This record gives sequence, structure tokens and C-alpha cells, in this order.
Amino acid sequence: AQSVTQLGSHVSVSEGALVLLRCNYSSSVPPYLFWYVQYPNQGLQLLLKYTSAATLVKGINGFEAEFKKSETSFHLTKPSAHMSDAAEYFCAVSGNTGNQFYFGTGTSLTVIP
Amino acid sequence: EAGVAQSPRYKIIEKRQSVAFWCNPISGHATLYWYQQILGQGPKLLIQFQNNGVVDDSQLPKDRFSAERLKGVDSTLKIQPAKLEDSAVYLCASSPMTSFNEQFFGPGTRLTVL
Repeated sequence: AQSVTQLGSHVSVSEGALVLLRCNYSSSVPPYLFWYVQYPNQGLQLLLKYTSAATLVKGINGFEAEFKKSETSFHLTKPSAHMSDAAEYFCAVSGNTGNQFYFGTGTSLTVIP
Repeated sequence: EAGVAQSPRYKIIEKRQSVAFWCNPISGHATLYWYQQILGQGPKLLIQFQNNGVVDDSQLPKDRFSAERLKGVDSTLKIQPAKLEDSAVYLCASSPMTSFNEQFFGPGTRLTVL
């Protein structure tokens, strides 16, 4: 079975500061891992995904995440926050069969001008 | 390329009533997902279709929820009868293959059960 835990339901950063959103996973098989962003009243949009290739994954809008098997983590980072980054961020995991897709509870990112 | 379409966008019903949601995935996408997103929580997968067959419905409350994907294209999700705890946003997503490919999400249907 797979699951993800997102530490911190709310994160606030100043504009231009580092963004760090935490995600830890639990999986009995090599996982596929994803980060999605959700803007108000919209569906989810994929930021990046890890599918057992490079452990450092680069996504859209300057975001990246590093898969660390020893720490069972897949934290999302961005060097410099923009006001437009304010949104809800979800980490998700699926097994290598492509089924059993699980989302975390989300982290709301606030960017302070 | 048109995105995933969902209708209606909003629905308000009384408890014990029935409701149905419709989803039209991106053309050519074989896999279709329905998720339930309760306020303050992450999306929970209800059912996954591959073409017109069910791949995973382990988290679908089958006593009141049903879904179908006739002809392997669009899909409907039905709740009968609705309960207060069914108030949520119902998201539809589609993918060219299975979960390790990107899922494209529709805007969702916000259901309020009074």
C-alpha cells in the first residue's frame, strides 16, 4: 500500500525567499511520485513527476524536487518565490502498476509581498 | 487541444436526493479517473477506468455511488441517495495511459448536500 504525508498544512514565505514544501511517502514497491498545484476553483495541474529516472526532477515554473529513498522523501523546492506561486500544493504517489493513486492532504502556500 | 470537461460546475441538492456528474476526457485518453475532494483534504480516488473497463474501484462507496464509462469515452458518476458527507468537489481526470503518465484534471463539480 502507498501513502504520502505532507508536513505543514500552511506555509508562508516572503517574495523572493526559498520555497520548501515537504512530502514523505510510504510504499511497499518502488513508487512513482508527483507534485500537483491547485489554484482556487480550478483543477489540479502537474508540476513534476518522478518515475525512477533521475532523482532530481525539474518541473514547470522553476520548481524542482529530489527523490531521497533513504529518507523516503520527495520535497518540493523553488529558489525564489513569486506572488503567483500562492496556491495549494499536493504530493501524490502511485505504485509501479499504475494503479492505487494517493494524494496527500495538501499544503497551502502564501507568498508575502 | 480541448481539456477535460465537466458538468455541472455547481450542484445543490437535499439529502436523500440523487445527482449525476458528467465528464468528457481529452480525446484519445484511455484512462479516466473520478476523485472526491472534501474541503481541506487531498483528492481521493473513487474509480479508475481503462477504456470502458474498471481498473480500480476499491474506494468507491458502492452502496450509493456508481460510475460508468460507456464506449470508453465520456463518463458519468452518480450518487443515490446523497448524504451530507458527500458534499465535496468531484474531479475528473484523464491520462493517455496509466498513473505514471500525467493526469489532466477538469475544473471539478462542487456538490453541496443540504
